Amino acid sequence: DVKVTQSSRYLVKRTGEKVFLECVQDMDHENMFWYRQDPGLGLRLIYFSYDVKMKEKGDIPEGYSVSREKKERFSLILESASTNQTSMYLCASSRDRTSGRVITDTQYFGPGTRLTVL
Amino acid sequence: AQTVTQSQPEMSVQEAETVTLSCTYDTSESNYYLFWYKQPPSRQMILVIRQEAYKQQNATENRFSVNFQKAAKSFSLKISDSQLGDTAMYFCAFRNNAGNMLTFGGGTRLMVKP
Repeated sequence: DVKVTQSSRYLVKRTGEKVFLECVQDMDHENMFWYRQDPGLGLRLIYFSYDVKMKEKGDIPEGYSVSREKKERFSLILESASTNQTSMYLCASSRDRTSGRVITDTQYFGPGTRLTVL
Repeated sequence: AQTVTQSQPEMSVQEAETVTLSCTYDTSESNYYLFWYKQPPSRQMILVIRQEAYKQQNATENRFSVNFQKAAKSFSLKISDSQLGDTAMYFCAFRNNAGNMLTFGGGTRLMVKP
């Protein structure tokens, strides 16, 4: 079974703090994603990485940065947390869609980190 | 940019009955992929079913099936013989042919009642 783990289920931080959210996958997937989930808005992509040290901005990258130093690990960084970043953060991974003859683009999700910024 | 709309924020169904969740999307592309994901309470999101736009046949996975209407840009999910374990948030998602990224709808919260 694919396993995607996130470092914390619940996190409480103060405005202005630097926050690190960690995600690890054990299936050697090329792609990793960070989303935030808010009621009524569904999931919105923050950043996407398709390889080590490679990243692409998603729909809402402002206020966030990412790091992918190893294939299995993808970190989301809030440089200076603000209250409007209070949300559920979901990490996901997938094999590159061109791997092999079968498109295996299913995204596998972690359990989520509920971040509260006070 | 693609958009995905789920017009039903919440739905409920009696156990053993059938329920249909709606999803519409907007794209100018002719080939793409559509997905339904399920997020049970306090549990991880998992893929329920996927559909390739170039396939006319509707995808089916056990009790889950889709009604894909390409011209209408509609992709509804039908759950037959609903079970209590089907209680979850359901998200419709779109991926274009060239990319790896998904665009999600706002979600539908489904409650299955005993």
